[in-house]
Amino acid sequence: AQSVSQHNHHVILSEAASLELGCNYSYGGTVNLFWYVQYPGQHLQLLLKYFSGDPLVKGIKGFEAEFIKSKFSFNLRKPSVQWSDTAEYFCAVNSPGDTGRRALTFGSGTRLQVQP
Amino acid sequence: DSGVTQTPKHLITATGQRVTLRCSPRSGDLSVYWYQQSLDQGLQFLIQYYNGEERAKGNILERFSAQQFPDLHSELNLSSLELGDSALYFCASSPNQGMSGDTIYFGEGSWLTVV
Repeated sequence: AQSVSQHNHHVILSEAASLELGCNYSYGGTVNLFWYVQYPGQHLQLLLKYFSGDPLVKGIKGFEAEFIKSKFSFNLRKPSVQWSDTAEYFCAVNSPGDTGRRALTFGSGTRLQVQP
Repeated sequence: DSGVTQTPKHLITATGQRVTLRCSPRSGDLSVYWYQQSLDQGLQFLIQYYNGEERAKGNILERFSAQQFPDLHSELNLSSLELGDSALYFCASSPNQGMSGDTIYFGEGSWLTVV
């Protein structure tokens, strides 16, 4: 079964600091990769996605992520965080070529707290 | 607004009862997914439907069932409710079955509290 690991459970940063959240997955086939954000009390919003092509993908709100196939990783980055980035971040993966794995598998999430 | 609509937004019910959660996918999307989010289990995939047919099953309890109707809306039925079923239930949709290039969008969720 595929799995997703997010190593940082709780990250605290000051405004303007740089952010990198780790994500590793365990499936060896073709994957779609996603990062979602969940602001307090709200639903999951798509930040960015990777399907194929350029492994560096840019999303909304200044976020980007890099797919490194050899490391099974899809880390999320932002050069300078803002207080409004305080939220929980979820990495997710599905396997388009595998009928039983097309639904998203989520990591456990990383709670980001940005201090003003 | 993702375009995925869920009702009700909040629901409080007693143990042993049965509830139905409803989801309307984004216009044109054929797949519907149900997820449960709780503090101890995180985001767990329950079940997926595509164009009215069940496509994949995750960690869905036997007390839970779902269906997708011809107009593509979906319902998740939760019965014999227990305190541990209290959670946020998300519906998501995508144009296809989760194929490459298929983006999955989430609704705002239905908060279920079992007392």
